Amino acid sequence: GAGVSQSPSNKVTEKGKDVELRCDPISGHTALYWYRQRLGQGLEFLIYFQGNSAPDKSGLPSDRFSAERTGESVSTLTIQRTQQEDSAVYLCASSLSPGDTQYFGPGTRLTVL
Amino acid sequence: SQQGEEDPQALSIQEGENATMNCSYKTSINNLQWYRQNSGRGLVHLILIRSNEREKHSGRLRVTLDTSKKSSSLLITASRAADTASYFCATDKSYGKLTFGQGTILTVHP
Repeated sequence: GAGVSQSPSNKVTEKGKDVELRCDPISGHTALYWYRQRLGQGLEFLIYFQGNSAPDKSGLPSDRFSAERTGESVSTLTIQRTQQEDSAVYLCASSLSPGDTQYFGPGTRLTVL
Repeated sequence: SQQGEEDPQALSIQEGENATMNCSYKTSINNLQWYRQNSGRGLVHLILIRSNEREKHSGRLRVTLDTSKKSSSLLITASRAADTASYFCATDKSYGKLTFGQGTILTVHP
């Protein structure tokens, strides 16, 4: 079956612009996670969605970051007024239920000039 | 403080040799997972070991978990050039919110 997909695969933007990143989880997966990976680093947790529960936003680095998820489907991560330090690969993962194996998408490489 | 720290940071071996990577963490966990990443992009899940398990195998991979020492190891036996990648451990303290280490860069020379 299809895996986790993300779009765009690469995004170059100018400082101060807003960007929207999309994640399509595996069908039937109730849990969805966003992570950020800076160059040469491990992944940092950003936000977690589980069903219709309120999302866990504890990893979002600032109020410029927000995310939404429609039911148990697509999720979008929005970064407003981008800064150069936002440059990273943004990875999405989904799992059948919380605590199960997470399957990662290919990521979106964001470059802020 | 960093949860899930791997060592060594880099490991270079010859094809056919075994590779061992270690991971230490600081707080109680539900499970620990190992991932492989090629070329800085897609992560591939390797093994999940739960806190009540001590050892798991998958093909050429062997993972151990010592909750008393808060450490785990990943052993790749009979390594191949295709095993060249970055390897990350990730700890799950609650409902799948993973905390990743910095990773070990493994290079396997043909």
